[in-house]
Amino acid sequence: AQTVTQSQPEMSVQEAETVTLSCTYDTSESDYYLFWYKQPPSRQMILVIRQEAYKQQNATENRFSVNFQKAAKSFSLKISDSQLGDAAMYFCAYRMMRGSNYKLTFGKGTLLTVNP
Amino acid sequence: KAGVTQTPRYLIKTRGQQVTLSCSPISGHRSVSWYQQTPGQGLQFLFEYFSETQRNKGNFPGRFSGRQFSNSRSEMNVSTLELGDSALYLCASSLTGGVVADTQYFGPGTRLTVL
Repeated sequence: AQTVTQSQPEMSVQEAETVTLSCTYDTSESDYYLFWYKQPPSRQMILVIRQEAYKQQNATENRFSVNFQKAAKSFSLKISDSQLGDAAMYFCAYRMMRGSNYKLTFGKGTLLTVNP
Repeated sequence: KAGVTQTPRYLIKTRGQQVTLSCSPISGHRSVSWYQQTPGQGLQFLFEYFSETQRNKGNFPGRFSGRQFSNSRSEMNVSTLELGDSALYLCASSLTGGVVADTQYFGPGTRLTVL
């Protein structure tokens, strides 16, 4: 079974600084998808960024980028120029690419605080 | 385009009762997934429906059931409620949920409290 581990329950960053959230996963699959979701205090889960395992290039979405290390099964999220609105719970998630089960498997989450 | 909506947003029940939660996906989306979120267990997959058929199921007891209607709206039902069922129940919709990794869009959730 696939597992996703986020080893940092909480992180804090100063506004305008850069922060990196860690995620490792375990799978025997060679093709899969990885995601970072953000859940602000209002609780609406929002997709931040997505990475296809077959792509070597790291995904980037504006101030958000990932460091995908397939061999190490590591998928970290870097937030540059942090803003107060970035404060939220961040979840790393995994999804198979093939087969019939397309559920998302989530890590426990990292609570990010942004200090003004 | 309207997002995923879930009703009710908050619910208080007592042990032994049953409850039905509703989810309306984004227009055109045919896949609906349900997740349970608790502080202890985190986010856990309940089940997924596509074209009115349950396609995948998580490791939850039979007290948890669901269905999907022809308009893709989905309901989940929990019978004989237990204190441990208190959680935030999230619904997510996607176009196909399958072959192509289309994005899952989440609703705001239903907060269920069992007393």
